[in-house]
Amino acid sequence: RKEVEQDPGPFNVPEGATVAFNCTYSNSASQSFFWYRQDCRKEPKLLMSVYSSGNEDGRFTAQLNRASQYISLLIRDSKLSDSATYLCVVGEGGKLIFGQGTTLQVKP
Amino acid sequence: GAVVSQHPSRVICKSGTSVKIECRSLDFQATTMFWYRQFPKKSLMLMATSNEGSKATYEQGVEKDKFLINHASLTLSTLTVTSAHPEDSSFYICSALAGGSGYEQFFGPGTRLTVL
Repeated sequence: RKEVEQDPGPFNVPEGATVAFNCTYSNSASQSFFWYRQDCRKEPKLLMSVYSSGNEDGRFTAQLNRASQYISLLIRDSKLSDSATYLCVVGEGGKLIFGQGTTLQVKP
Repeated sequence: GAVVSQHPSRVICKSGTSVKIECRSLDFQATTMFWYRQFPKKSLMLMATSNEGSKATYEQGVEKDKFLINHASLTLSTLTVTSAHPEDSSFYICSALAGGSGYEQFFGPGTRLTVL
């Protein structure tokens, strides 16, 4: 079983749509949680950290459920520029464990 | 945010040669740097953790004699792929941990290695 699992997609949505990504992690002792964004052939960039209380940054909302070991990312009012791969990332003992990523393609 | 550079950004080499990749933190000191590799449509896989002034810690399955890591200063870590073979072709990305940033790692732009 992979340590961090994501549906690879791709998710093809029209502009303006709301899209949700999910992720599960296997290690209950994981300490920190993030969503990163990676554009094709580029390095990953931190999108947002994820907390149990949930957090929102503009059109992006992230949630963490420690009991279910489940992380989510919601994108509202999708833009063409949101097209990318979204990586679910878990921090353990100073290291980052990456999921495979979910590819989002926003169409005009 | 903190800036990390990598050099070269792309390299094509013949099988059997060695390739050195540099990772630099440009505006901060990084006692810890990480090296990852990423195959197409796959996740980033941590190869090793590089600590300034000490030996790198390699992840299970990563050959330390093949992937030599040197972290000689607080702003520079190097990864040398020795006797590269086509199966070593991949996207190599480094990251640096900025002091006081908790778990946030700042990533370099990556190096695309193609071994012919």
